[in-house]
Amino acid sequence: EVQLVQSGAEVKKPGESLKISCKGSGHSFTTYWIGWVRQMPGKGLEWMGIIYPGDSDTRYSPSFQGQVTISVDKSISTAYLQWSSLRASDTAMYFCARLGIGENYFDYWGQGTLVTVSS
Amino acid sequence: DIQMTQSPSSLSASVGDRVTITCQASQDISNYLNWYQQKPGKAPKVLIYDASNLETGVPSRFSGSGSGTDFTFTITSLQPEDIATYYCQHYANLLFTFGPGTKVDFK
Repeated sequence: EVQLVQSGAEVKKPGESLKISCKGSGHSFTTYWIGWVRQMPGKGLEWMGIIYPGDSDTRYSPSFQGQVTISVDKSISTAYLQWSSLRASDTAMYFCARLGIGENYFDYWGQGTLVTVSS
Repeated sequence: DIQMTQSPSSLSASVGDRVTITCQASQDISNYLNWYQQKPGKAPKVLIYDASNLETGVPSRFSGSGSGTDFTFTITSLQPEDIATYYCQHYANLLFTFGPGTKVDFK
């Protein structure tokens, strides 16, 4: 069974750094792109970026380029999303998702990680 | 950049009603369009891919159509478990854009 399991909820202060994770299992982790999607409170879905674990090829949405870093450790089948300096506006639910073999839709999703940034 | 719009932004319907949601792209996107369902507190789930293909395991009351700039998502007979927000999503060259969503609830 394909599963993406994300790290737990985080509460951080503005200016702090953070790295959240998404661990895959049940499939060949290195041969499927993993994407990240943001959902701010009460708002819609925003695609942030995507990474290919096989060679760490990474693409970012222009809206998120330079704001976050997506990385992967294929030895432990885990993708990451990180911030160097959080803002209150980063408060949101973050989902990872696997891009299907046709590279057209996200077929499996993590359960989401809630990040709260507050002073 | 390609912009995606959806209408309506919300709707209320009764069990058994036919529900239709439209999604419009700012330029021709062929059939590179998916539909997702998101229930409160849950991750999204793909229902329709490539505009009109039903994902495996998804009930046949869900359907999609369209190409180019105009797309339609239909629930032929709304069921209680269909209460959710529905998003269209365009994809091309590993870039993805979600529509703003349509919230469906009971009248």
